Amino acid sequence: DGGITQSPKYLFRKEGQNVTLSCEQNLNHDAMYWYRQDPGQGLRLIYYSQIVNDFQKGDIAEGYSVSREKKESFPLTVTSAQKNPTAFYLCASSQQAGNEKLFFGSGTQLSVL
Amino acid sequence: GENVEQHPSTLSVQEGDSAVIKCTYSDSASNYFPWYKQELGKGPQLIIDIRSNVGEKKDQRIAVTLNKTAKHFSLHITETQPEDSAVYFCAAWTNAGKSTFGDGTTLTVKP
Repeated sequence: DGGITQSPKYLFRKEGQNVTLSCEQNLNHDAMYWYRQDPGQGLRLIYYSQIVNDFQKGDIAEGYSVSREKKESFPLTVTSAQKNPTAFYLCASSQQAGNEKLFFGSGTQLSVL
Repeated sequence: GENVEQHPSTLSVQEGDSAVIKCTYSDSASNYFPWYKQELGKGPQLIIDIRSNVGEKKDQRIAVTLNKTAKHFSLHITETQPEDSAVYFCAAWTNAGKSTFGDGTTLTVKP
């Protein structure tokens, strides 16, 4: 059953703590993306990766970091520098860079304790 | 940069009625316009899309229309059913791979 798996579904962060959100895909897609979704707002791009070992900042990259060591994995770290991390985080993939058909995971809800 | 405005923010219809959601965009370089359906606690799912060389596309009860001159595109759902209740997002992509999403429309279909 091909798709994108995000974990955990819910995550809580303490002050000053870094947390990492997992995203794995078995679609053999080259490109992967991280979006942030706040209530009543559209999706905003945090980071994207067009190929293994390469990634680019999106519109709201400050306070976040990513890695792309494997084609199927694109973890997102929310660092302590992100002062307002509470949001719904969505990972997506597309067959290749420039192919706009996105496949989304089911999301991770991050909250601050 | 691109700006996408989506209206209305909430829409309530009776089962069997039609629903129309409209998005306007600002960047004339945008050439791909997908619509997503997002159910509570889940990720968005692509339901229909249209490219700038086409004016209309239909898939069963769902259709999308594009007016490039006016820079707006609309989602039309006919014969609505309760399972159509969800949040719907539009997006606009440029050929440089830049995407901008609308703020979403919460559609409620009353049985």
